[in-house]
Amino acid sequence: ETGVTQSPTHLIKTRGQQVTLRCSSQSGHNTVSWYQQALGQGPQFIFQYYREEENGRGNFPPRFSGLQFPNYSSELNVNALELDDSALYLCASSPSYNEQFFGPGTRLTVL
Amino acid sequence: AQSVTQLDSHVSVSEGTPVLLRCNYSSSYSPSLFWYVQHPNKGLQLLLKYTSAATLVKGINGFEAEFKKSETSFHLTKPSAHMSDAAEYFCVVSGDTGTASKLTFGTGTRLQVTL
Repeated sequence: ETGVTQSPTHLIKTRGQQVTLRCSSQSGHNTVSWYQQALGQGPQFIFQYYREEENGRGNFPPRFSGLQFPNYSSELNVNALELDDSALYLCASSPSYNEQFFGPGTRLTVL
Repeated sequence: AQSVTQLDSHVSVSEGTPVLLRCNYSSSYSPSLFWYVQHPNKGLQLLLKYTSAATLVKGINGFEAEFKKSETSFHLTKPSAHMSDAAEYFCVVSGDTGTASKLTFGTGTRLQVTL
C-alpha cells in the first residue's frame, strides 16, 4: 500500500510569486486535507476536499485555493506569496471514516 | 468550536522513567481525539485515537491515553521512556465521527529524553 506523497519536498519563492504544491493520496482514500505548520506551531487546517468538492475551509484568505482530481490527488495553490506563508505544508488523506494519514510535507520558504 | 490545550510546551524525562503529556479538550460534539508524533524533519504519525469506544486507548510504541469526560482530558502516557521517543507530540481533536473532518491541533509538547 502506497502512503501519502507530496512534491516538492522543498521550495524557495519570492514575495508576490505563486506556488503549486502537490499531493498523492493513499490508495482508496477519497478525502484530502491541507494544513499549514509554521515553525514551532501546530498544524492549522487550510481546507478539505471530498470527491473533488471543497468540504470545509479554515481561516485562510482566498489566495489559498485547491483542487482535487478524479484520482483523488490534490493541489494547493497560493497566490501573491507573503513572507508569513513560509511554513511546512502538510497533506493528509483519509477514507470516509475519521482518521487522517499525513504525507511528509513540503517546506516552503518565501524570501 | 473545538480546541485542545496542551499544558506543557516542553517535558524532559530520563530514559526508563514514565512519560506524561497532558491535554485538555473542548468540543461541542462527542469528540474524536488523537495523539500524533512528529520526529524532526518527518511527517506526522498517528500514535493512537479515541472514537467513543473504550476510554483507555492503547497505541503504538507502548503509548496509551485515557479519555476522561468529567475532566475533559486526554493525557498521553508511557511507562518507560526510550531515547527514540524524543519528538514533538500533538494532541488533536476532531468534531465529527463517521466522516473525515478537520483536525484541530494543540500547540505541541516537545519531549526530551535524557540518559
